[in-house]
Amino acid sequence: QKEVEQDPGPLSVPEGAIVSLNCTYSNSAFQYFMWYRQYSRKGPELLMYTYSSGNKEDGRFTAQVDKSSKYIPLFIRDSQPSDSATYLCAMSERNTGNQFYFGTGTSLTVIP
Amino acid sequence: DVKVTQSSRYLVKRTGEKVFLECVQDMDHENMFWYRQDPGLGLRLIYFSYDVKMKEKGDIPEGYSVSREKKERFSLILESASTNQTSMYLCASSSPGLAIGELFFGEGSRLTVL
Repeated sequence: QKEVEQDPGPLSVPEGAIVSLNCTYSNSAFQYFMWYRQYSRKGPELLMYTYSSGNKEDGRFTAQVDKSSKYIPLFIRDSQPSDSATYLCAMSERNTGNQFYFGTGTSLTVIP
Repeated sequence: DVKVTQSSRYLVKRTGEKVFLECVQDMDHENMFWYRQDPGLGLRLIYFSYDVKMKEKGDIPEGYSVSREKKERFSLILESASTNQTSMYLCASSSPGLAIGELFFGEGSRLTVL
């Protein structure tokens, strides 16, 4: 079993839809959670970062952390074609910036 | 604006060739990483460096070596390229001193080995 699991997709939604991207993990030592967005032929860029249970919102994006279920979904509200990308969840045990565990990513296409 | 620069975006090499992938960061970060990214496998860590001349093996170091002679520069070396090393290579950096220990990535180097 991989330590971090994501639905690979591809996921295709119409513009304006609410998108839910799933990420689960097995190691209860993970305390810091990140979502990266990766456009085609580009490197990943940090989208969201959180370390506490509950919701963290940034514009149309909401990351939810449920440590009891080891589940950290990312929700995108009013999805736009510019949201079309691969979304990677990542996590670490410590905030020391030297050990990260990544999911394989979910490919999302938002159709105009 | 923070930047991680990978010198080669696309490379085509032949089996057995020596390949150098260069990465430079301008953020004075202590940590630098090399990952490879393959469909269905995600990001896999090849090597990690936490200081000049210091390195640690990641999950898949076989067939690779690294060099970090200056803080800002981290090179990945394929001594004798093989077809199974065809992949997207991503360099990243981070700093343990930051409030958020995030990784900053370069644009990637897509290597094809024929």
